[in-house]
Amino acid sequence: GAVVSQHPSWVICKSGTSVKIECRSLDFQATTMFWYRQFPKQSLMLMATSNEGSKATYEQGVEKDKFLINHASLTLSTLTVTSAHPEDSSFYICSVPRAGDETQYFGPGTRLLVL
Amino acid sequence: AQSVTQLGSHVSVSEGALVLLRCNYSSSVPPYLFWYVQYPNQGLQLLLKYTTGATLVKGINGFEAEFKKSETSFHLTKPSAHMSDAAEYFCAVSPGNQFYFGTGTSLTVIP
Repeated sequence: GAVVSQHPSWVICKSGTSVKIECRSLDFQATTMFWYRQFPKQSLMLMATSNEGSKATYEQGVEKDKFLINHASLTLSTLTVTSAHPEDSSFYICSVPRAGDETQYFGPGTRLLVL
Repeated sequence: AQSVTQLGSHVSVSEGALVLLRCNYSSSVPPYLFWYVQYPNQGLQLLLKYTTGATLVKGINGFEAEFKKSETSFHLTKPSAHMSDAAEYFCAVSPGNQFYFGTGTSLTVIP
């Protein structure tokens, strides 16, 4: 079964609104989760590392005030796209590494469309 | 620095033919290597991984990959393509907790 879930799977919003995406680790606790963005026909680009109990670490070029990350618990991280614009339309995927396992487990992704 | 190169953004094979998807990497430390598959509008599913031990790794759906340190390669193969194999394939390297992905190869299977 699924190890990582994301909610919602699809979201359409108006320009200027904020959208929250949840990533849940279903089988194990995780002090770290990763957020990726994927544009059509492109690879995954790491946006940020979500750290439980501390601030997220953002990759170069990713606006931390635009993409707010909160690692609320050991099983939940949220990504909020603030004041979304059409160029933020993308596929957002989270991943969760498990201690002692070299693999990252990916969520099913959230497709965001900003009109 | 770590990087992953996937040669060929699009690969087409006939149903029943050999599938070969190429992946080369550079890493400053011995990496872990992965192949993931992505179907349309879905997340990534792990096909196989190499960490240590046997360099020929078998994965799900009949796929396998061989780690060749001298060539810094981790090519993905399947002896006989099936229509259901049509998808996007990503090679990834992980020197630690962080993953670095290749640009992906779109596999088309021709009936």
